[in-house]
Amino acid sequence: DSGVTQTPKHLITATGQRVTLRCSPRSGDLSVYWYQQSLDQGLQFLIQYYNGEERAKGNILERFSAQQFPDLHSELNLSSLELGDSALYFCASSTRDYLNNEQFFGPGTRLTVL
Amino acid sequence: AQSVAQPEDQVNVAEGNPLTVKCTYSVSGNPYLFWYVQYPNRGLQFLLKYITGDNLVKGSYGFEAEFNKSQTSFHLKKPSALVSDSALYFCAVRVNNAGNMLTFGGGTRLMVKP
Repeated sequence: DSGVTQTPKHLITATGQRVTLRCSPRSGDLSVYWYQQSLDQGLQFLIQYYNGEERAKGNILERFSAQQFPDLHSELNLSSLELGDSALYFCASSTRDYLNNEQFFGPGTRLTVL
Repeated sequence: AQSVAQPEDQVNVAEGNPLTVKCTYSVSGNPYLFWYVQYPNRGLQFLLKYITGDNLVKGSYGFEAEFNKSQTSFHLKKPSALVSDSALYFCAVRVNNAGNMLTFGGGTRLMVKP
């Protein structure tokens, strides 16, 4: 158990809908990362937050957004869902220490768009 | 931009034999390299990392990796494979920028047969 929690574990929804994925980082970790894992794109970085502020952006669609709250949990919002958004979405967290910056991953949320 | 290549989609090895999972990278600047393992229906688990120092890095579950700067490689190794090592292995690189995001290789499926 990495200490990173994600809810829900599974999500099934229809095209055009909006969903919210939630992540709680390990105790004490200030950085939260979101990744998407799909068969065709592999594992891709989406976005990072550090202590409430957006830190880096990867291949995140404009239909997707995220935020990190004062209690450090994070939410990833996916809107106007398309079939191609079906994937496993991982959250990871790390400490601030960049030289010891392994990321600890949650179990993921499997999103199925029908 | 940094990139990681895992040239083998699958590696097959007999239990008790040594295993190697290959990874090459391309970065500008000093590379920070990581190996993660993913078991079915689980998140990624951190195995080991290279930040600086000794080129041979030891990690969890008896795994080690050798950093070779001239060949830009970071191959994962284990002297004696176990059936329970069968999983999906990912190599990743992080360049020390403001974001600290990870760029992952495509993954290599390791199959250890009894």
